[in-house]
Amino acid sequence: AQKITQTQPGMFVQEKEAVTLDCTYDTSDQSYGLFWYKQPSSGEMIFLIYQGSYDEQNATEGRYSLNFQKARKSANLVISASQLGDSAMYFCAMREGLSNFGNEKLTFGTGTRLTIIP
Amino acid sequence: NAGVMQNPRHLVRRRGQEARLRCSPMKGHSHVYWYRQLPEEGLKFMVYLQKENIIDESGMPKERFSAEFPKEGPSILRIQQVVRGDSAAYFCASSATGDSYNEQFFGPGTRLTVL
Repeated sequence: AQKITQTQPGMFVQEKEAVTLDCTYDTSDQSYGLFWYKQPSSGEMIFLIYQGSYDEQNATEGRYSLNFQKARKSANLVISASQLGDSAMYFCAMREGLSNFGNEKLTFGTGTRLTIIP
Repeated sequence: NAGVMQNPRHLVRRRGQEARLRCSPMKGHSHVYWYRQLPEEGLKFMVYLQKENIIDESGMPKERFSAEFPKEGPSILRIQQVVRGDSAAYFCASSATGDSYNEQFFGPGTRLTVL
């Protein structure tokens, strides 16, 4: 079974609209972390936002927020007021286990290609 | 504070040659991870190293691939006798101990093309 599932291969969104990128995960660990990264056409991986499994509040970073629904095992990324520069691939990733206990590797989804239309 | 550095950014090799990819972690970071991204796919974990130790190599192909992170100098991912299927982007990430969530900072990647 896939550990990280991103069901939207591509999305087109009008500039200034909000967009939600879906991510569901599968783990039996009680402690885990969820990450979103942006990969523009230049290829680098840019960290956007993090949510820990014990965090009670949804994470927010500027225009990015993470809609964390633990019971449904979903961690959707919400981008408000989209901009042309948001056009990129977006990857959801998970780290299973507690940090600093040796389980540091990230498992990535297949990504969603977001295109912002002017 | 310089970020994670990788070189070369682009590498072209013919089948059967060796590829050596270098990664210098962020200052103060002692954990290094290597990931591979095939075209149009997500990143796949390869290996996790700390200084002079391989902690987790569960994602490394059994043959031709090796990695090291010596006491001094950058981490090296070495691919011997490259084949066309090795063509991919190879990303290095580093992290520090003691962070609340151990964020991994990624380098710009090395794009390997095997002719």
